[in-house]
Amino acid sequence: QKEVEQNSGPLSVPEGAIASLNCTYSDRGSQSFFWYRQYSGKSPELIMFIYSNGDKEDGRFTAQLNKASQYVSLLIRDSQPSDSATYLCASSAGNKLVFGAGTILRVKS
Amino acid sequence: GAVVSQHPSWVICKSGTSVKIECRSLDFQATTMFWYRQFPKQSLMLMATSNEGSKATYEQGVEKDKFLINHASLTLSTLTVTSAHPEDSSFYICSASEWSKNIQYFGAGTRLSVL
Repeated sequence: QKEVEQNSGPLSVPEGAIASLNCTYSDRGSQSFFWYRQYSGKSPELIMFIYSNGDKEDGRFTAQLNKASQYVSLLIRDSQPSDSATYLCASSAGNKLVFGAGTILRVKS
Repeated sequence: GAVVSQHPSWVICKSGTSVKIECRSLDFQATTMFWYRQFPKQSLMLMATSNEGSKATYEQGVEKDKFLINHASLTLSTLTVTSAHPEDSSFYICSASEWSKNIQYFGAGTRLSVL
């Protein structure tokens, strides 16, 4: 069964710190990886996607992919209280997404 | 980014009635749309995948006769919850993706409460 595993958290970081969110996946056929942010009571919002091994940066966010280790991570620099949310990692092979259960991030001011 | 509109955002209905939820892609043609359900403190569960002009593909355990999906155009898909019961109360979210682009953009979701 295809699975995406995330630590449920909560992960607490002080304002201004780097938040590191991690995710592993079981399907070696997965080709695309996504990070979504979900605020309580809201729908997921796409933050980043990554297809190739290595790092991909977009503003304060950096996604990292290591296909050999089947590992995806999201770094959030200069964390803000508004970053407090649940972060969902998802993988896809084909057009379906397989979601992890999400990691709750709390940024304390 | 691509915009997906979902309506209504909140619906309350009596047990036994049917509820229709609309999902529209506003600035792109969505060849594929997806319907998810999310219970409190749980992750998204894919219910079905719909391609424009063809029958939806339902995930295991999802009753296709209860959750009717129509994807009649490249910008509109609908989910109808038929004969709703209190256990159908949940957060229903649609997403859409463009042809050859493996990125799903989500609607705002519909919170369904069945009394």
